[in-house]
Amino acid sequence: EAGVTQSPRYAVLQEGQAVSFWCDPISGHDTLYWYQQPRDQGPQLLVYFRDEAVIDNSQLPSDRFSAVRPKGTNSTLKIQSAKQGDTATYLCASSFGGAQNTLYFGAGTRLSVL
Amino acid sequence: GEQVEQRPPHLSVREGDSAVITCTYTDPNSYYFFWYKQEPGASLQLLMKVFSSTEINEGQGFTVLLNKKDKRLSLNLTAAHPGDSAAYFCAVSANYGNEKITFGAGTKLTIKP
Repeated sequence: EAGVTQSPRYAVLQEGQAVSFWCDPISGHDTLYWYQQPRDQGPQLLVYFRDEAVIDNSQLPSDRFSAVRPKGTNSTLKIQSAKQGDTATYLCASSFGGAQNTLYFGAGTRLSVL
Repeated sequence: GEQVEQRPPHLSVREGDSAVITCTYTDPNSYYFFWYKQEPGASLQLLMKVFSSTEINEGQGFTVLLNKKDKRLSLNLTAAHPGDSAAYFCAVSANYGNEKITFGAGTKLTIKP
């Protein structure tokens, strides 16, 4: 069974540039999460979906970040105008069913904003 | 919302020694508790999970203890070996139809020979 796939693996931007991250979850997983993990810190939830619906995006900086999962499968996270403070690894995770189930993480996209 | 505090941020023990990592949480409705392991350069993988009804779980040389009264979760490593060197994260979620999972800040565990 294929795991969670993310691309690109690395991205280097100047401040003000835009970037998109792509995630392909495990087939059949209805819940998809995007986390931001600054260096040497824990994952911090940005947004999560159940199927195509956004369930919680309260921690997503809505002025610059957006996330979609239009068909309830793949998802894209976009930063419109990156800032140095966005430097982090962006992790996608998926699971099936409720909160008791294991999260399966992708390898992440390491973003550096110069 | 849920707040999860994890201690210590760094821990160094000798091979064969024990190690304890502790998380405290704030939401009394928290019901599902997880420990994830992140090896250098790799992503997070589930190490162990415990549900509020069980309070203890063992496996892979680790024991997870849950104290619901004190809202404290601990990961106890009984005999460290070099393969245990990694970052460890606790994660907590509630049991009211919300799949939001909150992580601790992590503990970087180093096993010295």
